[in-house]
Amino acid sequence: NAGVTQTPKFQVLKTGQSMTLQCAQDMNHNSMYWYRQDPGMGLRLIYYSASEGTTDKGEVPNGYNVSRLNKREFSLRLESAAPSQTSVYFCASSETLDSIAKETQYFGPGTRLLVL
Amino acid sequence: QKEVEQDPGPLSVPEGAIVSLNCTYSNSAFQYFMWYRQYSRKGPELLMYTYSSGNKEDGRFTAQVDKSSKYISLFIRDSQPSDSATYLCAMSGNTNAGKSTFGDGTTLTVKP
Repeated sequence: NAGVTQTPKFQVLKTGQSMTLQCAQDMNHNSMYWYRQDPGMGLRLIYYSASEGTTDKGEVPNGYNVSRLNKREFSLRLESAAPSQTSVYFCASSETLDSIAKETQYFGPGTRLLVL
Repeated sequence: QKEVEQDPGPLSVPEGAIVSLNCTYSNSAFQYFMWYRQYSRKGPELLMYTYSSGNKEDGRFTAQVDKSSKYISLFIRDSQPSDSATYLCAMSGNTNAGKSTFGDGTTLTVKP
């Protein structure tokens, strides 16, 4: 049982390059999330997907796009990377979007992205 | 002003000490209060959660919520070097409880 997996673990991009961060979960969860974490700061929600086929903006969506490919996979795309997008990106999943009492939110190990 | 403010730290204590980690918030709609532990270069993991006010205990960890003061705390008794990590508080409302607002985190070091 791998939980939430993310690829790649580390990436260096030049300004203007594009890339896609991949996330997959094997817990049959309905909801998936992308967060970014900057030094000394908590997690900020970029996008989330309540269920397969739906996506919604979070707190900091500008510069990003997402795709919920199927129930297992949720990808995050940077179309034109900027130095301000240097961060650690975490994917997470949960059974549902509602009622944390019924489920916990599981996080992946993170992708460290450096944009030069 | 941020919706969730967390004591910034860092915090360094000797092994066996009682640790208090604290957050304040401004959004009265928050009903779920969570504490996450994040080891260096790892993803966060849910440590405890509390619904509405009150206390919750799990082994050496106790979570307290005072909604009247909009103040939450995590106490760690008999702290161990393995407790050294960053602790994040997070909160959410009744609807869309999976979308949480996080504090900035407090880094704790427990020295042997």
